Amino acid sequence: DADVTQTPRNRITKTGKRIMLECSQTKGHDRMYWYRQDPGLGLRLIYYSFDVKDINKGEISDGYSVSRQAQAKFSLSLESAIPNQTALYFCATSDPSQGAGHEQFFGPGTRLTVL
Amino acid sequence: AQSVTQLDSHVSVSEGTPVLLRCNYSSSYSPSLFWYVQHPNKGLQLLLKYTSAATLVKGINGFEAEFKKSETSFHLTKPSAHMSDAAEYFCVVSDRGRNAGNMLTFGGGTRLMVKP
Repeated sequence: DADVTQTPRNRITKTGKRIMLECSQTKGHDRMYWYRQDPGLGLRLIYYSFDVKDINKGEISDGYSVSRQAQAKFSLSLESAIPNQTALYFCATSDPSQGAGHEQFFGPGTRLTVL
Repeated sequence: AQSVTQLDSHVSVSEGTPVLLRCNYSSSYSPSLFWYVQHPNKGLQLLLKYTSAATLVKGINGFEAEFKKSETSFHLTKPSAHMSDAAEYFCVVSDRGRNAGNMLTFGGGTRLMVKP
């Protein structure tokens, strides 16, 4: 399912570098999310956006920033990467018009390693 | 506040035997509950969801889960495991009393291994 795509799929970078992870979707959903996954911790919310003009911090936003360039695009930036940001990052989308308990649709993930 | 506890980090079963993945939750409001599956090097796929209709929810690939409010549980079951079920499973809660669907809280995950 290529409705939610993430680039790059894998990235190795060095401490202190700036890096951007990109997410695109063709589902036409207004809501988009960025999560990180760490072993044993499940997924934790970094930022979410209800529409192009509405961006909100999630549970673990420190050290990250986002940009919602269009309805279909939501980018996550690490201004100065540090090793404990090594993780698997997921983008997701959702459509609240589907009612209470509407599901989120996830991209394939970006594996980021910070040396 | 909402939280999810998956009681087993790893579960190992033999092919053809039943699967039980346990999940307990806490929520201040009426929750929506989900199970997602993650196969190796893949994104997350929705298995099933509970949103206040029938308490026994059927999902894809023969999985089902029962919402038990008195026990605050939402355990995932399957009568007969298949090799292709080997994956990581996440129990997820969403607080429907607020902006539904935007605040998902994930459990730590259960890795299911299926032996031939």
